[in-house]
Amino acid sequence: DGGITQSPKYLFRKEGQNVTLSCEQNLNHDAMYWYRQDPGQGLRLIYYSQIVNDFQKGDIAEGYSVSREKKESFPLTVTSAQKNPTAFYLCASSLNRDSNSPLHFGNGTRLTVT
Amino acid sequence: AQSVTQPDIHITVSEGASLELRCNYSYGATPYLFWYVQSPGQGLQLLLKYFSGDTLVQGIKGFEAEFKRSQSSFNLRKPSVHWSDAAEYFCAVGAKENTGFQKLVFGTGTRLLVSP
Repeated sequence: DGGITQSPKYLFRKEGQNVTLSCEQNLNHDAMYWYRQDPGQGLRLIYYSQIVNDFQKGDIAEGYSVSREKKESFPLTVTSAQKNPTAFYLCASSLNRDSNSPLHFGNGTRLTVT
Repeated sequence: AQSVTQPDIHITVSEGASLELRCNYSYGATPYLFWYVQSPGQGLQLLLKYFSGDTLVQGIKGFEAEFKRSQSSFNLRKPSVHWSDAAEYFCAVGAKENTGFQKLVFGTGTRLLVSP
């Protein structure tokens, strides 16, 4: 079955360490996205990529970095510069960049930084 | 700027009763509108979408939503709620940025509790 795989499901890190969250899709979608979810705040866009080797900052990109070297993969690195990294991170993809192209979501990674 | 408001943080409904979740949006042009559902610790699943045409759209799991342009609303309804419907529901609007990128703007969600 096609879908989006995020790993790991739970991740624990010490403050000051960088950490990379994995996101892989086999839907042959062009566009991929990273969202951050905090209680009571809905989903906020961190980064998005419309095609391979191209990505753009979303609304809350500070302290994060991404790469898009392959169509299937869009890893997110949470750097030590991110002031409040503990959150639930969701990766998504869509067929293309148009807003009428529904998002397909992975099951998320819960990151806890202490 | 585009925005989505879901005025109810929590709603409790008895099993078998009807449900309506409210969503209001702010967007200058004709919007693309979506409802997603999220079970605890999971990703979001698309329930239904509105692009154009018939203002009453049907989705999965027996849900429907009605687009009302005059009220800038896209409320989600279900005639008879099942215990398995307990989850968090997100309304979203597709919005075009100055760069040409079209992104989804999400509301803050409504948590549905179903009582026996």
